[in-house]
Amino acid sequence: QQPVQSPQAVILREGEDAVINCSSSKALYSVHWYRQKHGEAPVFLMILLKGGEQKGHEKISASFNEKKQQSSLYLTASQLSYSGTYFCGTESTSYDKVIFGPGTSLSVIP
Amino acid sequence: GAVVSQHPSWVICKSGTSVKIECRSLDFQATTMFWYRQFPKQSLMLMATSNEGSKATYEQGVEKDKFLINHASLTLSTLTVTSAHPEDSSFYICSANGGQTYEQYFGPGTRLTVT
Repeated sequence: QQPVQSPQAVILREGEDAVINCSSSKALYSVHWYRQKHGEAPVFLMILLKGGEQKGHEKISASFNEKKQQSSLYLTASQLSYSGTYFCGTESTSYDKVIFGPGTSLSVIP
Repeated sequence: GAVVSQHPSWVICKSGTSVKIECRSLDFQATTMFWYRQFPKQSLMLMATSNEGSKATYEQGVEKDKFLINHASLTLSTLTVTSAHPEDSSFYICSANGGQTYEQYFGPGTRLTVT
């Protein structure tokens, strides 16, 4: 089952914050986050494992609530380079296939 | 980080012909490789999972006789689109899991256009 992402699209001004949510109807082992620029392959951002992890790298962080089967990606003080489509991918068990959500289009404008 | 390459980057072929796409892990051994298809403005849809030395596992709705996958070595998987039709035109992306980390490493993708 494909995870659900919200919002579908968001437009930000440089410096603003955004939150992208990902939820699944199935129990999850892990959540992966990727960003894809137009015409390019997805680029790995981070993975969160079962256990209620939170992770961060510079101004992009994420949390995973396994009980709620939800994950959120937080982008703070957005930069123009953050523009792209963000996909969450979910695994039900370790080393399982990753099923991707429909994506969230994020546009950062000056 | 680990690098996955794909060849070719793009290909245009005539309807009815077959096209082979290669996916290579350049600096690690990939026990598992995944093939995805992505139509414009849509998500990545998993087509199949291939494990070295064994038959690929296809997702529901993917014709295994049309999309032939071979994972002959720990660094190479190939996807052959047989008797291609215009509706097969898409962006095909492979990814590989080295088994040491949970990260999937994606190739740059191959854009297939069938005329």
